[in-house]
Amino acid sequence: EIVLTQSPGTLSLSPGERATLSCRASQSVSSYLAWYQQKPGQTPRLLFYDASSRATGIPARFGCSGSGTDFTLTITRLEPEDFAVYYCQQYGSSPWTFGQGTKVEIK
Amino acid sequence: EVQLVESGGGLVKPGGSLRLSCAVSGITFNNAWMSWVRQAPGKGLEWVGHIKSEADGGTTDYITPVKGRFAVSRDDSKKMLYLQMNSLKTEDTAVYYCVTGGHYFGSWGQGTLVTVSS
Repeated sequence: EIVLTQSPGTLSLSPGERATLSCRASQSVSSYLAWYQQKPGQTPRLLFYDASSRATGIPARFGCSGSGTDFTLTITRLEPEDFAVYYCQQYGSSPWTFGQGTKVEIK
Repeated sequence: EVQLVESGGGLVKPGGSLRLSCAVSGITFNNAWMSWVRQAPGKGLEWVGHIKSEADGGTTDYITPVKGRFAVSRDDSKKMLYLQMNSLKTEDTAVYYCVTGGHYFGSWGQGTLVTVSS
C-alpha cells in the first residue's frame, strides 16, 4: 500500500501569512492525488483532485502542484476560516490512502 | 444540492454486526461510484471501500482489514448505499461517512458513529 507522509504535522501561522503544506508518497501516484480540508466538528471538504483541479467553490488563494511522489498545497494569504486540518489522499493504487494530516493553527 | 444522510450507527459488542444506510439525493445515483470513509475518534481519515456503478460492473473493493467482514451494496431504485459490517472489532470504532466518488470524494454525509465495545 502507498504511504502518504504529510509535513509538517502542525503549522503555526498568522492570518495573512502564506502556508505551504507537503505530501510525499512512498511510490509514484502520477497525478492521482486529492486534497481535503476538515474544520473542527465538520466533515471534510474536497479542495483539489487530479493533483491540480480545483473543486467547486474553492477560493483562488488555494493552489496546489506536484506529480509523482511530491505534492504541495499552498494557501497564499491565510483567512481566519482556513485554520483547519488538511489531508492529502492518493487514488493511484488501491487501496486508496490518506496522509495523516497537517494542522494549520493560529499562531 | 447533493445530500447524503447516513443512519444505522450505534453501540455494538465485539463480534457483532451492524448495517449502515445512506440515503442519497441530488445526483444521478445509478451513474455514481460510491464509497465509505471512516474516521476513528481524534484520528485521520481512512477509505473503507467503494462500489462501482452497475454500468461499470457494480464491483466492490475494500481495505485489507475489512475484507471478508464488510460489504458495500447499493439499491439504485431507492438511491440507497449500504455498508454491512460483520465480526466487528474494537478497532472499527469510528465515524463512518458515506461519500460520492470511487477515487476521490466530492460530497460527504454528516457521518454516523459506530462504537464497538463490550
